[in-house]
Amino acid sequence: DAGVIQSPRHEVTEMGQEVTLRCKPISGHDYLFWYRQTMMRGLELLIYFNNNVPIDDSGMPEDRFSAKMPNASFSTLKIQPSEPRDSAVYFCASSLNQLSGYTFGSGTRLTVV
Amino acid sequence: AQKVTQAQTEISVVEKEDVTLDCVYETRDTTYYLFWYKQPPSGELVFLIRRNSFDEQNEISGRYSWNFQKSTSSFNFTITASQVVDSAVYFCALSGGVSGGYQKVTFGTGTKLQVIP
Repeated sequence: DAGVIQSPRHEVTEMGQEVTLRCKPISGHDYLFWYRQTMMRGLELLIYFNNNVPIDDSGMPEDRFSAKMPNASFSTLKIQPSEPRDSAVYFCASSLNQLSGYTFGSGTRLTVV
Repeated sequence: AQKVTQAQTEISVVEKEDVTLDCVYETRDTTYYLFWYKQPPSGELVFLIRRNSFDEQNEISGRYSWNFQKSTSSFNFTITASQVVDSAVYFCALSGGVSGGYQKVTFGTGTKLQVIP
């Protein structure tokens, strides 16, 4: 298995632009997570899905952030409009079931200038 | 609310020394899970271990060992005979059933370990 695949690895965009981050979870994993990592706030859970359904989005910082999972093999995290304070590494992770550990993707380093 | 505290921000050791990374947690749940993850300089996050709250047996995996003590709410991680490849940021994490579900994992702030050759 190729693991959790995220794209792009790096994204530099101008303030106000729309940014879309992509994730392909491990096949057969029922859970998908989006985390954000910054020096100030560490690792924060933004949202997670179970069987493609969003379960908890309480960590999504504001309405500018949205996430979708149209099928079991693909998810997106969109920021519109982006702001410099959104600069962070965004990780996608998946897990087999409720009790297993996560497998993380390599992350997307987002820089908003 | 759940909380994970890793009081050691950075640790430096000389290669072959043993090192222990501390983790203290807070939770109202009676059933919960504890984790350790490793983040090497390349940036990915690697799952190391998961332990449930009913299993207080220490675990050893090669040079790695974990000491879970419910009485002190601690889940410490020891690396024996450290190597340069152990240099990374290590995260302790917690999930509980009542506090948002077992899938909602709360991470500590991490301990950066530098192993000097």
